[in-house]
Amino acid sequence: DAKTTQPPSMDCAEGRAANLPCNHSTISGNEYVYWYRQIHSQGPQYIIHGLKNNETNEMASLIITEDRKSSTLILPHATLRDTAVYYCIVPGKAGGYQKVTFGTGTKLQVIP
Amino acid sequence: GAGVSQSPSNKVTEKGKDVELRCDPISGHTALYWYRQSLGQGLEFLIYFQGNSAPDKSGLPSDRFSAERTGGSVSTLTIQRTQQEDSAVYLCASSLGAGGPKPNEQFFGPGTRLTVL
Repeated sequence: DAKTTQPPSMDCAEGRAANLPCNHSTISGNEYVYWYRQIHSQGPQYIIHGLKNNETNEMASLIITEDRKSSTLILPHATLRDTAVYYCIVPGKAGGYQKVTFGTGTKLQVIP
Repeated sequence: GAGVSQSPSNKVTEKGKDVELRCDPISGHTALYWYRQSLGQGLEFLIYFQGNSAPDKSGLPSDRFSAERTGGSVSTLTIQRTQQEDSAVYLCASSLGAGGPKPNEQFFGPGTRLTVL
């Protein structure tokens, strides 16, 4: 798996956009970027994934740089329920039988 | 539809005893993962199954830990001679493994909280 680097913690005001960065400089051409989050006392939850194009779903947007060495997860209007640890993961080739390794993630605190 | 289930939800045991933790993945998911999470820590990968075989056991912390999967479905994680440092939440996840738009999307169970006294 390509190694990912995330800041350990971030704060965001409620209602504002939360921008969570991730560096994955060793990513290879066919490796996807996945984002999960873990709300306190729950198992991790899938958010979004992408290869090279920006992606958007009902939960978030994913912006991947042109060189694919970094990405940003955007929560457009953060709510208190978005307080969680966010994990950026590069699990290996899509469709392959690769394990997913979770790092320590970014602890996002949404402030009222 | 049914998600990933784990049992028991909580387990308290005495140091030196053996414990078995069970995971029922989503039907049709060929990939199954075990993780553990100590208090305030990130997820620690333990083992990965593809079908009934375990191509990656690199995360098992010692030979006291073992896991098996039968029928490409249920998996059991066994910890022998438990130690206090084994206390953690043990999470199981499953994924399609291949095919579909999100083959590596992992669906997590609620976890088993193990406390070793």
